[in-house]
Amino acid sequence: DIQMTQFPSSLSASVGDRVTITCRASQKISDSLNWYQQKPGKAPKLLIYSASTLQSGVPSRFTGSGSGTDFTLTINSLQPDDFATYYCQQYYTTPAWTFGQGTKVEVK
Amino acid sequence: EVELLESGGGLVQPGGSLRLSCAASGFSLSDYAMTWVRQAPGKGLEWVSVISGTGGITYYVASVKGRFTISRDTSKNVLYLQMNSLRTEDTAVYYCAKDRLRSIAAAGSMDMWGQGDLVVVSS
Repeated sequence: DIQMTQFPSSLSASVGDRVTITCRASQKISDSLNWYQQKPGKAPKLLIYSASTLQSGVPSRFTGSGSGTDFTLTINSLQPDDFATYYCQQYYTTPAWTFGQGTKVEVK
Repeated sequence: EVELLESGGGLVQPGGSLRLSCAASGFSLSDYAMTWVRQAPGKGLEWVSVISGTGGITYYVASVKGRFTISRDTSKNVLYLQMNSLRTEDTAVYYCAKDRLRSIAAAGSMDMWGQGDLVVVSS
């Protein structure tokens, strides 16, 4: 199975900060990568698919980039609603989809 | 309104069985691949199973293969996950999720999720 490694595992930030989360695949996955946001007690929410395509309804401050093995999720001007845990997920190897371990974005 | 509503979770003893249901509204299960994802308490997300929009193709993560069965009733628009021979490590919140696409070959991006249902396997 393809292993997905996210870093950092957690970070502290303030409203208005620019936040970057990195996800690395154990082998090349082209652009077959999603980003999800999850808040405590809630279901995940799709933010970005195909590495860089913003899901409908998601604010434009979220951007995704990367291809191959290295990917990033950037949140420009962090908002109070953005404090959550973020997961990357590869879907290159259908159907053995795998998630990263998550990155928790906390209030500084 | 597009919505997914899970039910059927609860406490079960090791070796027991449970069937989760996921009622879909606002769209037809025949039009999209559907997935089950689980999350153990305090842990990350794990893909469990997927069924194609046609219903003809199903896949499972290795740890549940032979024990879990994904299916659907298109007349009721309900997705199921039959879980047999349950183990303590199956304890998790189980989410059903709708894919962006119908074909499994192109699937893997879940754009609508249910609220989750807790399954606890314990004696």
